[in-house]
Amino acid sequence: GENVEQHPSTLSVQEGDSAVIKCTYSDSASNYFPWYKQELGKRPQLIIDIRSNVGEKKDQRIAVTLNKTAKHFSLHITETQPEDSAVYFCAPQVGGYGNKLVFGAGTILRVKS
Amino acid sequence: DTGVSQNPRHKITKRGQNVTFRCDPISEHNRLYWYRQTLGQGPEFLTYFQNEAQLEKSRLLSDRFSAERPKGSFSTLEIQRTEQGDSAMYLCASSGRLNTGELFFGEGSRLTVL
Repeated sequence: GENVEQHPSTLSVQEGDSAVIKCTYSDSASNYFPWYKQELGKRPQLIIDIRSNVGEKKDQRIAVTLNKTAKHFSLHITETQPEDSAVYFCAPQVGGYGNKLVFGAGTILRVKS
Repeated sequence: DTGVSQNPRHKITKRGQNVTFRCDPISEHNRLYWYRQTLGQGPEFLTYFQNEAQLEKSRLLSDRFSAERPKGSFSTLEIQRTEQGDSAMYLCASSGRLNTGELFFGEGSRLTVL
C-alpha cells in the first residue's frame, strides 16, 4: 500500500518553541524517510532524511525519529524561527530502494514572532 | 545554474488543446521523476525514468498523459485534450547515480486550462 498521512495539517507555534510533525505510512518495504520543506511559491527541498537502519538523526535544530515497527516517523524542529514558516511534507520511499517518494498532504507550520 | 530546469514556467491553454512540458535534469542524474501538485496538496507521483526507461507510471494517470526521455537526458510530458482538472503545477525532479534518495526539484510548470 501507499497510504501516507501527516498530522497535524496546520501547526502554529510561538517563536522559540518546538514543533513536531508526525507521518504514518503503510508500505512495510519502505526504507528511506525524508522530510521536504516548501516555502510559498518555491520548489520542495529536502531538509532531513533517515534510513531504516537508524532510529534518529539530527542536523542542528531539526531532527527526525523513526519507528519502523509502528510505521511512523516524525520531524522535530527546536527553537523555531519565523523563517521556519512553510509547508512540510513527509515522503517515504515506496517499493524499496530506488523507487518513488510518496508525499503526504503537508503540514502548514506558522511561527509567530 | 546547474539545477533542474523546466519549460515553460507558465502555460495557459483552452480545454481540448494539447500541451507539452520539458524538463532538463541535473546532468549527471540518471533518474527523472514527474509529479503534479495542486493547491494545498503534496506532490502527486506521475511517472519516473531510469535513464531512458520508463519504470513506473501512476495508475491514476489517464491515457491522455504521456512522458518520454528518449536519450536518457531531458524529458517531455505531454497532455492531450486538456481538461480543467489538469490545471496544476507540474514538477520535475531528478536524482543522482549515488542513489542517495534525495530528489532535486525544478521550479515547476504551472498549467491553467480555461
